[in-house]
Amino acid sequence: DADVTQTPRNRITKTGKRIMLECSQTKGHDRMYWYRQDPGLGLRLIYYSFDVKDINKGEISDGYSVSRQAQAKFSLSLESAIPNQTALYFCATSDQGWETQYFGPGTRLLVL
Amino acid sequence: ELKVEQNPLFLSMQEEKNYTIYCNYSTTSDRLYWYRQDPGKSLESLFVLLSNGAVKQEGRLMASLDTKARLSTLHITAAVHDLSATYFCAVDPIQGAQKLVFGQGTRLTINP
Repeated sequence: DADVTQTPRNRITKTGKRIMLECSQTKGHDRMYWYRQDPGLGLRLIYYSFDVKDINKGEISDGYSVSRQAQAKFSLSLESAIPNQTALYFCATSDQGWETQYFGPGTRLLVL
Repeated sequence: ELKVEQNPLFLSMQEEKNYTIYCNYSTTSDRLYWYRQDPGKSLESLFVLLSNGAVKQEGRLMASLDTKARLSTLHITAAVHDLSATYFCAVDPIQGAQKLVFGQGTRLTINP
């Protein structure tokens, strides 16, 4: 089984709808991250959390919110989706401050 | 604001040739990461470089870090088709914070 899972894997929604993307991990890591990937722009950090009581904004947090329900679960919400939020979204986890991040399979989101 | 730039962004090369991907970044950091992404897939960690002069090698790939020049290189030796992928470098601007800033990615195509 995958260490980092994301649901759904694909989602089509309409402008103005609220949607939630979910991430779960079995690696036992405290740190979790949400990124979005757009063609030609690499990955950009949306939010990150270093433990269940810690939530921090990343580079592009506007229009997004997150919830850390448990050490293993980190959800990303789009309160009112807009077309320029169409992107590939990745969740990632890491252990210590210097270790690499482990990425989930991604959620492809299309906002019409 | 930290900026991370890769070049080239696109690279088409023949098997058995050698080439280098460059990753330049704009502020001081001694933590740099390389990732690989296959089409439609997630990111896979390749190397973690944690100090000036660090060199890591895995198979036909070798990565190095020069923190004084703010430059990392990913060298490909005797390329094979299986190395076709997009390669990203990412820099941690604040030691241990892991608020990674990614380069745009280099799409590498290796032709028989």
